[in-house]
Amino acid sequence: DGGITQSPKYLFRKEGQNVTLSCEQNLNHDAMYWYRQDPGQGLRLIYYSQIVNDFQKGDIAEGYSVSREKKESFPLTVTSAQKNPTAFYLCASSMGYSRRKSSYEQYFGPGTRLTVT
Amino acid sequence: AQSVAQPEDQVNVAEGNPLTVKCTYSVSGNPYLFWYVQYPNRGLQFLLKYITGDNLVKGSYGFEAEFNKSQTSFHLKKPSALVSDSALYFCAVRDMKDYGGATNKLIFGTGTLLAVQP
Repeated sequence: DGGITQSPKYLFRKEGQNVTLSCEQNLNHDAMYWYRQDPGQGLRLIYYSQIVNDFQKGDIAEGYSVSREKKESFPLTVTSAQKNPTAFYLCASSMGYSRRKSSYEQYFGPGTRLTVT
Repeated sequence: AQSVAQPEDQVNVAEGNPLTVKCTYSVSGNPYLFWYVQYPNRGLQFLLKYITGDNLVKGSYGFEAEFNKSQTSFHLKKPSALVSDSALYFCAVRDMKDYGGATNKLIFGTGTLLAVQP
């Protein structure tokens, strides 16, 4: 998990509340990603950012929002519009396509388990 | 469309025996392939990748993977399994939809649970 931190590890919220998950990396990576993991469904991409101040929707962006104001940080907000927010959320980073020798593998943080009741 | 399949939800193997976790892919162009491992309630750890070159790729913890272009497969292997290898394994392929554009997205399989019995 080294180089990428996610906090908190466990998060509990009441239905109808927005919640923000933190993701910080010190790997000097350009690209960052948010995934959602549910049992039996693998990883699904929520949002990704290839450079500061830019981000794109992934496959399941509805009910989520992100920002990328700093290279090191890519926080994810789970809004009250997300119908089923209880899940394990994973943040990842990679060097990015802009480098001459791109290294496409992604490195993951330890994850945040969000429970909404 | 790019895709990756892991046909086995679970693989059971006895400690000391060789293990194989299967992965097949479908991509346009040359595939960039990856294997990750996930222990309970943890993030994914990168094991190895195939970009180009030798079809047998060696990675962390004694794992290796064999790229087979004709069978569009990238199976993960280890000669002698350990109980500590028990975990969830994910195969991934680089999304080539925007090749030449600006994406580093990976498409992940649904995962295979490896259970190594002592």
